[in-house]
Amino acid sequence: AQSVSQHNHHVILSEAASLELGCNYSYGGTVNLFWYVQYPGQHLQLLLKYFSGDPLVKGIKGFEAEFIKSKFSFNLRKPSVQWSDTAEYFCAVTNAGKSTFGDGTTLTVKP
Amino acid sequence: SQTIHQWPATLVQPVGSPLSLECTVEGTSNPNLYWYRQAAGRGLQLLFYSVGIGQISSEVPQNLSASRPQDRQFILSSKKLLLSDSGFYLCAWRQTGGNYGYTFGSGTRLTVV
Repeated sequence: AQSVSQHNHHVILSEAASLELGCNYSYGGTVNLFWYVQYPGQHLQLLLKYFSGDPLVKGIKGFEAEFIKSKFSFNLRKPSVQWSDTAEYFCAVTNAGKSTFGDGTTLTVKP
Repeated sequence: SQTIHQWPATLVQPVGSPLSLECTVEGTSNPNLYWYRQAAGRGLQLLFYSVGIGQISSEVPQNLSASRPQDRQFILSSKKLLLSDSGFYLCAWRQTGGNYGYTFGSGTRLTVV
């Protein structure tokens, strides 16, 4: 069974700091990779996704993620965070139509 | 446009009582439908998924069941709730085929007392 590991449970940053959230998965076959975000009081929503092609994918609100197949990783990055990026972030791996999620990383951005 | 509706938003039920949570999708046909449970500080655990009417796959054996009586309706049920069934339940859908992410409902906070 596939598993997803998010190494940071809680990250605290000041505004304008750079962000990188780690995500590693266990499945060795073809996978689709996602990052979802849940802002306080809101639904989970898709942030970005990778299926094939350029391993550096760009999502909404200036986020990007890089798929490194050799490391089974799909880390999320943002060069300069804002207070409004405070949220919980989930990495997910999809295989055969089913997604496995990581435990999530809570990001707190201090103004 | 497609929308997903999930209700109720919150529910407090006594131990041993039945449960029925409903999820409906509008604006699409033949969606893949999912029920997840989200525990505090943990990720989402897939409970059930369905690729069509009457087709249910269970990921985690437990006190819950799911049904899909109509193409865009997905129901999560229990005959007798346990304290351990408390949690936040999310319904989600994605388009069949292709490479699509999930669209999630707003969730149901279930507290079993």
